[in-house]
Amino acid sequence: NAGVMQNPRHLVRRRGQEARLRCSPMKGHSHVYWYRQLPEEGLKFMVYLQKENIIDESGMPKERFSAEFPKEGPSILRIQQVVRGDSAAYFCASSKVADSTDTQYFGPGTRLTVL
Amino acid sequence: AQSVTQLGSHVSVSEGALVLLRCNYSSSVPPYLFWYVQYPNQGLQLLLKYTSAATLVKGINGFEAEFKKSETSFHLTKPSAHMSDAAEYFCAVRPLTLNYQLIWGAGTKLIIKP
Repeated sequence: NAGVMQNPRHLVRRRGQEARLRCSPMKGHSHVYWYRQLPEEGLKFMVYLQKENIIDESGMPKERFSAEFPKEGPSILRIQQVVRGDSAAYFCASSKVADSTDTQYFGPGTRLTVL
Repeated sequence: AQSVTQLGSHVSVSEGALVLLRCNYSSSVPPYLFWYVQYPNQGLQLLLKYTSAATLVKGINGFEAEFKKSETSFHLTKPSAHMSDAAEYFCAVRPLTLNYQLIWGAGTKLIIKP
């Protein structure tokens, strides 16, 4: 039973380029969460999606960031016109349900470096 | 807003010694509580979770944590540290409202001395 998959594991972009981060949840999981980890900090919630729906994007910057979780295929976190401050590790997690006791399972993360 | 405080960004213990990593949360209503471990350049792995059943929770790799409502704490312990325990440990809470979010502490790096 494969875990949460994220790719690429490392991504280097120059300022102004676009970054696309992909996340495939665990089999049977329809809830996906994205978190960002800045250097020397804990994780910060960005967005929560179910299939084809954004449920809560309150943690996502209003500009340049978007997320989707289509009916088929992985969830995508897209960052347009990247800036140096976007350099971070981006983690995706998935869960079977979305209640308080359910466990979120994390992928290995994508480490984005903006030059 | 809820917050999580992990005391000590780095904790160093000798191999075989007791491990104690501290976590305090701010909430008038006890939330659900989690400890995750992150090995270098890897994702996060769940160590254990408290979901209002027993206050002493046993996890993987010999770790356990005790929920103390009066102290708003959920400290992580292991009786005897191994070299393989060297990693970063994160405490997280899930509020009873907004129950899909995890709110994270800043993490504690555990260093094991031979």
